[in-house]
Amino acid sequence: DTEVTQTPKHLVMGMTNKKSLKCEQHMGHRAMYWYKQKAKKPPELMFVYSYEKLSINESVPSRFSPECPNSSLLNLHLHALQPEDSALYLCASSQDMVTSGYFGPGTRLTVT
Amino acid sequence: QKEVEQNSGPLSVPEGAIASLNCTYSDRVSQSFFWYRQYSGKSPELIMSIYSNGDKEDGRFTAQLNKASQYVSLLIRDSQPSDSATYLCAVNRGATNKLIFGTGTLLAVQP
Repeated sequence: DTEVTQTPKHLVMGMTNKKSLKCEQHMGHRAMYWYKQKAKKPPELMFVYSYEKLSINESVPSRFSPECPNSSLLNLHLHALQPEDSALYLCASSQDMVTSGYFGPGTRLTVT
Repeated sequence: QKEVEQNSGPLSVPEGAIASLNCTYSDRVSQSFFWYRQYSGKSPELIMSIYSNGDKEDGRFTAQLNKASQYVSLLIRDSQPSDSATYLCAVNRGATNKLIFGTGTLLAVQP
């Protein structure tokens, strides 16, 4: 089973809202990632968790707050977002930080 | 110089032909190389990974790696209209273990 699941599929939120994106994998992978993808652009790395610890933060604004409650779950908490944050948010996991990653279907986020 | 470079295309090939997609990278310590396929509105799907020099074949797909030339390619034999998508080259940047994506090549297979 090479499945990464993400909820919700679509999210519309106002600039004053607080929401969370969720990601889950049951492949026993120990690295999990958040990417942001704008239209016609490649995925852009935001955060990496390795063995449930934050190992890479690509200078992401603090209005994005990641959380890894356990080895299977990854959350992205959103607060006071801007319209330019509208994008496809992708979660991925991999066996470790060297091997290939499997992407979830993504959450299409629109900030109004 | 971008870390991972791809021709954005579109690359147009007739059905049944071989599609050749190319990627160059700048970091010599890179160790792992991946090709992802992304259909419009969908998430990237891993189709090939390659770690050592030479060719790796999987069905209609062949990945080729030349570390001396810092070059990785993907060949798609017997191209089908369903292969029409954006193909993303990704390179594991050895020093930081980060996966860096190229901008992608749009492939259009004409029936």
